[in-house]
Amino acid sequence: DIQMTQSPSSVSASVGDRVTITCRASQYISSYLNWYQQKPGKAPKLLIFAVSNLHGGVPSTFSGSGSGTDFTLTISSLQPEDFATYYCQQSYSAPFTFGPGTKVDVK
Amino acid sequence: QVQLQQWGAGLLKPSETLSLTCAVFGGSFSGYYWTWIRQAPGKGLEWVGDINHSGSTNYSPSLKSRVTISVDTSKNQFSLYLSAVTAADTAVYYCARGLGSTEATMGYWGQGTLVTVSS
Repeated sequence: DIQMTQSPSSVSASVGDRVTITCRASQYISSYLNWYQQKPGKAPKLLIFAVSNLHGGVPSTFSGSGSGTDFTLTISSLQPEDFATYYCQQSYSAPFTFGPGTKVDVK
Repeated sequence: QVQLQQWGAGLLKPSETLSLTCAVFGGSFSGYYWTWIRQAPGKGLEWVGDINHSGSTNYSPSLKSRVTISVDTSKNQFSLYLSAVTAADTAVYYCARGLGSTEATMGYWGQGTLVTVSS
């Protein structure tokens, strides 16, 4: 199985801050990397697919980059609705594993 | 607008079979992957398995001996069955539809169903 790691596990930030989350795969996954946002008690939502493609309705303050094994999710200016947990996920090979999540909370 | 609505028993006893169904509203049913994901309380997301419109399945190796995913194209529904459940299977179970024809990129999600396994 491909193991996904994320750092940091949590980050405290303020509205307007730039937030960067890193995701690393245990082996090569090309560009098969997705990011999801989950708020408490809610289903996850797809934010970014294939490293850098924003899903419909996702604001341009979100961006993704990387390739191979190392990937980054950046929120350029944190908004109140962005406080949530973020998961990366590889869609390269089954089982399609998720990272452990990064919680973005209020500083 | 694609919407997924799921239902099933929320309380099971050990050794029983979990059964969940997800109905899809809006959009075509064919040409996509239909996925189940679960999340144990306070934990991260775990991919359970998926099925495409032609019935080809892919399961998590850790659950493969106990899991079945099926599709009923006439009803635009797909289902998850997990046999011989234990407390370790207690989780919120989500159904999801793939984005485009790509496997394992879950673009649309159901609301989730909490399944508790307890004697």
